[in-house]
Amino acid sequence: DVKVTQSSRYLVKRTGEKVFLECVQDMDHENMFWYRQDPGLGLRLIYFSYDVKMKEKGDIPEGYSVSREKKERFSLILESASTNQTSMYLCASSFDGRRGVFQENIQYFGAGTRLSVL
Amino acid sequence: DAKTTQPPSMDCAEGRAANLPCNHSTISGNEYVYWYRQIHSQGPQYIIHGLKNNETNEMASLIITEDRKSSTLILPHATLRDTAVYYCIGPTKGGKLIFGQGTELSVKP
Repeated sequence: DVKVTQSSRYLVKRTGEKVFLECVQDMDHENMFWYRQDPGLGLRLIYFSYDVKMKEKGDIPEGYSVSREKKERFSLILESASTNQTSMYLCASSFDGRRGVFQENIQYFGAGTRLSVL
Repeated sequence: DAKTTQPPSMDCAEGRAANLPCNHSTISGNEYVYWYRQIHSQGPQYIIHGLKNNETNEMASLIITEDRKSSTLILPHATLRDTAVYYCIGPTKGGKLIFGQGTELSVKP
């Protein structure tokens, strides 16, 4: 079974802190994604990565950065946490489209990290 | 990007079939439709995808109309553990999925 593991299930941080959210996948997937989920707003894409050291902005990248130094690991960084970044953060991974046109849209998600910024 | 429309909520009796509709009238001829679900406090889970033919796997069946403007996800014997939000997703470029509000399915005993 595909496994996408997020480092923390719950996290509480203070305003202004630098926050690292880690995600590891064990399926040799090329693509990795970070989403946030808020009530009434659904899932929104923050950043994604097609390959090691590559990153692309999603729909709401402001206030976030990412790092992908190894294929299996994708980190989300909140440079200076703010209260409006309190949210559920979800990591996902998928094969890329070269393995089949639909493969990149079959994403496997982690259990999520519920971050509270006080 | 293809846009989808789903009812906000549905109820289903345990053991009965749950039929979840989705309209995707703007989808183009070579684009797939994908279904995911999200059980409370968990990450979304991929269920099934289809292009034009009906599809079935161990989780569900997917019926796509001949004109491809709509589809129905069928859970043949719903259980309480199928209570979740179900998302119908049209494709986007580069694996960027757009999750709408989905259908909140409540399976009741």
